[in-house]
Amino acid sequence: GAGVSQSPSNKVTEKGKDVELRCDPISGHTALYWYRQSLGQGLEFLIYFQGNSAPDKSGLPSDRFSAERTGGSVSTLTIQRTQQEDSAVYLCASSLVGQGNNEQFFGPGTRLTVL
Amino acid sequence: GDSVTQMEGPVTLSEEAFLTINCTYTATGYPSLFWYVQYPGEGLQLLLKATKADDKGSNKGFEATYRKETTSFHLEKGSVQVSDSAVYFCALSVGSSNTGKLIFGQGTTLQVKP
Repeated sequence: GAGVSQSPSNKVTEKGKDVELRCDPISGHTALYWYRQSLGQGLEFLIYFQGNSAPDKSGLPSDRFSAERTGGSVSTLTIQRTQQEDSAVYLCASSLVGQGNNEQFFGPGTRLTVL
Repeated sequence: GDSVTQMEGPVTLSEEAFLTINCTYTATGYPSLFWYVQYPGEGLQLLLKATKADDKGSNKGFEATYRKETTSFHLEKGSVQVSDSAVYFCALSVGSSNTGKLIFGQGTTLQVKP
């Protein structure tokens, strides 16, 4: 079956522009996570969705970052007024439910480069 | 706060050598522990997990035992292959509501030479 998909796979933008990153989780997975993978910071948690609500946004690095999920499925991560330090690979993962012992299935990521 | 520390890489081994990648953690609750692997050009995938103390996770010849007394979850394999070359991430999941949020170590790059 289909895994987690993300689009675009690569995004190059200019400093100050807004970007939207999309995640399509595995069908039926109620939990959805966004992470960021960068050279300096490793893999960092950004935000967690259970259904359409986000009970844990503790990893969002600034108010320029926001995310939403609609229909309990697709999620969009938006970065406003991008900065060079936002350059990273943004990973999306989903799991059946948001519990600690559940396997998370990761997408291939979106590589964001801010010039 | 909760954290994971892995041995730094890169680790370079010859084929059929024994592998150990050390991982220790700090957590306020009772975490579940994971090893994820990222093969070249591929996404992160779960390698193995353990959800309580003394559990042993195993998969593809890899093993790791959840040691609460030493707060460790070291990854081992008796005989590595070239195809095991990848980046390995130790991770934990814990929290007051245990949402499944993962906290990762820095990753260890393994290169296996023929």
